[in-house]
Amino acid sequence: ETGVTQSPTHLIKTRGQQVTLRCSSQSGHNTVSWYQQALGQGPQFIFQYYREEENGRGNFPPRFSGLQFPNYSSELNVNALELDDSALYLCASSRGSLTYEQYFGPGTRLTVT
Amino acid sequence: KQEVTQIPAALSVPEGENLVLNCSFTDSAIYNLQWFRQDPGKGLTSLLLIQSSQREQTSGRLNASLDKSSGRSTLYIAASQPGDSATYLCAVTPNGAQKLVFGQGTRLTINP
Repeated sequence: ETGVTQSPTHLIKTRGQQVTLRCSSQSGHNTVSWYQQALGQGPQFIFQYYREEENGRGNFPPRFSGLQFPNYSSELNVNALELDDSALYLCASSRGSLTYEQYFGPGTRLTVT
Repeated sequence: KQEVTQIPAALSVPEGENLVLNCSFTDSAIYNLQWFRQDPGKGLTSLLLIQSSQREQTSGRLNASLDKSSGRSTLYIAASQPGDSATYLCAVTPNGAQKLVFGQGTRLTINP
């Protein structure tokens, strides 16, 4: 069983640029959630995708957007990057029900300068 | 609004000790509670998942309990080892929400 994978591992962007982060869900999982983790903090929920539809969103501005593809992989797009967007971005997949366990990927470390 | 708190923020103990990490949450209306481990700069590894109808779960040297009515969970680690050093996070899934709400974590150091 292949686990959750994310790419790239880390990247550096300049304020105002746009970035796309990618996530491949674990085999058999149809739900992907994205989280932002600032240094020393717990992860904060950005949004969730279930069967290619957004299925819940946290308190993040519209410049954070996403997609889920038919194979259940997902992208997180962030436009007009700000310095405060520097964080570890985590992707989690699950079988779809709220009662199922969430499995996290290794994360993408984004640095905005 | 659901809030999750973990105390202490950091804990250092000698190898071999049994220890307890604490997690509290403000709203008892949850689907489940999950404990995670995070190594520095890495992703989260799921340790234990407790459904709202359960009282505890065990995996190896780890035991997690859940008291929904009081809004508390504990993670018990038996016979601690240096390899247990990491940050431990608890998270709840609130009823009706498609997300995990996390605490800030407890940074655990096991000294040889």
